[in-house]
Amino acid sequence: SQQGEEDPQALSIQEGENATMNCSYKTSINNLQWYRQNSGRGLVHLILIRSNEREKHSGRLRVTLDTSKKSSSLLITASRAADTASYFCATDDPRGSTLGRLYFGRGTQLTVWP
Amino acid sequence: DAGVIQSPRHEVTEMGQEVTLRCKPISGHDYLFWYRQTMMRGLELLIYFNNNVPIDDSGMPEDRFSAKMPNASFSTLKIQPSEPRDSAVYFCASTPAGSTDTQYFGPGTRLTVL
Repeated sequence: SQQGEEDPQALSIQEGENATMNCSYKTSINNLQWYRQNSGRGLVHLILIRSNEREKHSGRLRVTLDTSKKSSSLLITASRAADTASYFCATDDPRGSTLGRLYFGRGTQLTVWP
Repeated sequence: DAGVIQSPRHEVTEMGQEVTLRCKPISGHDYLFWYRQTMMRGLELLIYFNNNVPIDDSGMPEDRFSAKMPNASFSTLKIQPSEPRDSAVYFCASTPAGSTDTQYFGPGTRLTVL
């Protein structure tokens, strides 16, 4: 399946440090998205990067995409305690019958200590 | 816009009972997705609709699960009869244009089957 896999499964850092999470996937994509989930809440979209893009920024977020390695990374700079959440990557699959759906990974649990 | 609305937010029921979860997508969104999230299995796609038509229900665990979308503003996920292993958080999400766009998640329904 196309399901992405995040690495690491869990990450624990101090406020002010940078947090880097990685995602690998298996087949070609049109785009890759990152989502965030606070405890007890639904997922919230953070950023989308298209297959012809290599890097994208949004505030303290920086996403890179390497289609040759089928991998992406999400960097959160100057982390805050409020960044504590689970982070998921999601990919599409441009082939045939699965058009319309996203494939989510298992997520990285980020804990930022004050 | 109020976002994706799900009801109930919490449901506790006894094994064998029928459970109906409800979702109102964001107005104008053509795609609606039902997910289930557990610690063991992560986020699983159960079924998704495009313009009220089920596109892929391969994630529905078994015949006890059924989903309908009678119109563009309402969908239900029904479990009959419910079993303890169905305990999970069920999310509904909608998107305007499928996998090329952001998915907007509802707050989820936490289901506990005793």
